[in-house]
This record gives sequence, C-alpha cells and structure tokens, in this order.
Amino acid sequence: KAGVTQTPRYLIKTRGQQVTLSCSPISGHRSVSWYQQTPGQGLQFLFEYFSETQRNKGNFPGRFSGRQFSNSRSEMNVSTLELGDSALYLCASSFGQGEGLNTEAFFGQGTRLTVV
Amino acid sequence: AQRVTQPEKLLSVFKGAPVELKCNYSYSGSPELFWYVQYSRQRLQLLLRHISRESIKGFTADLNKGETSFHLKKPFAQEEDSAMYYCARPNTGNQFYFGTGTSLTVIP
Repeated sequence: KAGVTQTPRYLIKTRGQQVTLSCSPISGHRSVSWYQQTPGQGLQFLFEYFSETQRNKGNFPGRFSGRQFSNSRSEMNVSTLELGDSALYLCASSFGQGEGLNTEAFFGQGTRLTVV
Repeated sequence: AQRVTQPEKLLSVFKGAPVELKCNYSYSGSPELFWYVQYSRQRLQLLLRHISRESIKGFTADLNKGETSFHLKKPFAQEEDSAMYYCARPNTGNQFYFGTGTSLTVIP
C-alpha cells in the first residue's frame, strides 16, 4: 500500500512569509501527527489530528497551526516565518485508536523548510 | 513528564562488535516503548517495539522495569546498521515522545 506522502519535499521561504505543508496518510489511517526535526532538538511533537479534530498539541507558538480534512489528509501552516523555523517537518499517520499494534506510526519523508 | 532519554548522541563501533544503544524512560505505569530508525536519506521507520518481543535485523530490546531502561542491542554490528536511532514512547492518541536520538556509525 502507498506510504505517507508529504508535499512539497523542499521549500525555501523568507522571514515573515507563511507556508503550508501537506500530508496524505496511508489509506484507512485516521490519525495524522506532525513533528519538527532539527539537529539540536531532535523530534518535537507539534500536533495530532484525528477525524478532523485536533486531539493533542505540543508546545509550539500559535504561528503553527494545522487542520485535517474529511479524507484524513492534513495540512500544517506556519505564519510569520522565523529563521528558527528552518527544519525538517515530518508527518506520521496511524489508525489512531486502541493500543498495542495499532499505535505504530508511519512516517513520511518530510518537507525540508529553509527560512532565509 | 513521561519522557525517554538517550544519553549518547554519537556511538561508534567496529563491524562485528556488539552494540548497545541506551534508552531510559520515566513513567510510573507499564510503558509501551518503541525503537525507530532513520537510515541516510530514508524515512523514519519502526525497528521494533517491546510489546511484540520480536527481533528485527538482529536487534533486540528488553524492557527492564527495575532500571527503567529499554536498551537496543545487537551482538554483531554490520555496516548497514549505521543510522540514527530513536527511542520513543506513545502518549495519548498518536503522540510520541522521542528521545534525542543516537547516531550509530559502524566502522568497517
């Protein structure tokens, strides 16, 4: 089955701009999570959406927002970009319910955002 | 906070030598723990999880509740094992707490 797809793969933006990243989960998965990956901080959780509702949120400023559509596809938006937002943004999908084997998260290849 | 800690950022071993990547967790209940691996230019992927008690690519990890550890071990390292390894614990929903990762280099 097709894996998690993230678009675009690479993005260069200037400070102050806003950006939208997209994630298409594995078919049948209803949960989509977003992570920011940087060399210094590792993987930091941004937020999770399940059935179009935000279910969990990490400690990021309000400039970071997201949404999920009825087909489980998700978008993440970052407004008023700062240099420190440069990172690899990863999306992960899972069934999102229950425990044990169902909690495995499948990751996309990420979107590399560079803010100049 | 319920976290996982990976004390080593970098680890180098020679090919054929045993390797152990450390992971400690802080959690009052019975944790569910995972190891994820990210090979160069590849996506982050599940290596193994303690609940299934399986061995993948020769790696095993045993949950030690007394030491609150979930170290990843392999008796004989191979060059293809060079990668970034993350210990992770799920929170509610589909949120994971990841350790800061250990970059493993296997020297030929």
